[in-house]
Amino acid sequence: DTGVSQNPRHKITKRGQNVTFRCDPISEHNRLYWYRQTLGQGPEFLTYFQNEAQLEKSRLLSDRFSAERPKGSFSTLEIQRTEQGDSAMYLCAAPRDNSYNEQFFGPGTRLTVL
Amino acid sequence: DQQVKQNSPSLSVQEGRISILNCDYTNSMFDYFLWYKKYPAEGPTFLISISSIKDKNEDGRFTVFLNKSAKHLSLHIVPSQPGDSAVYFCAASGDRDDKIIFGKGTRLHILP
Repeated sequence: DTGVSQNPRHKITKRGQNVTFRCDPISEHNRLYWYRQTLGQGPEFLTYFQNEAQLEKSRLLSDRFSAERPKGSFSTLEIQRTEQGDSAMYLCAAPRDNSYNEQFFGPGTRLTVL
Repeated sequence: DQQVKQNSPSLSVQEGRISILNCDYTNSMFDYFLWYKKYPAEGPTFLISISSIKDKNEDGRFTVFLNKSAKHLSLHIVPSQPGDSAVYFCAASGDRDDKIIFGKGTRLHILP
């Protein structure tokens, strides 16, 4: 148990629809990270939060993507007007204690855009 | 531009033997290195890490070696067990940059 849960585990949607994923760290980590993994690739950094503040966004995060972390606890990642290229595994991670270098991942949300 | 490279997409090792997974990196600002293991349909599981001030870290059957001058690290698993069959990701992070940069992974098959 990594202490990070994600919902839903799977999401199938049609191109053009909006989707939202949720990440819940079991204990309140002050940092929370989002990554994306496509077939044949390692996870790629998308964005991270320090408490409720979004501190960095990757260039992979187009204007159609938005992430929030209200109250510094759970986080949501929304994709608007989904495209087939958005199909991927979306992973949430939280650091172990104060060791920011070691991040523990949730089970991920597998998105399929038809 | 791949900053973390795993040049072997797959590796097959006999059960009981040593598995050696290799990784090269290009960014000299990286100062922390990690290995993750991933099963299908699951998130990556943290295995072992090493700081750039060390050249070896050991945890049970897993040992990571770091050669900073060559910008190379390796993960040794001994003895290899069937449950070790998975995809292994090499990863790195920098001092001021907490995001983790991953390689493309190596699929390890442990043969009976």
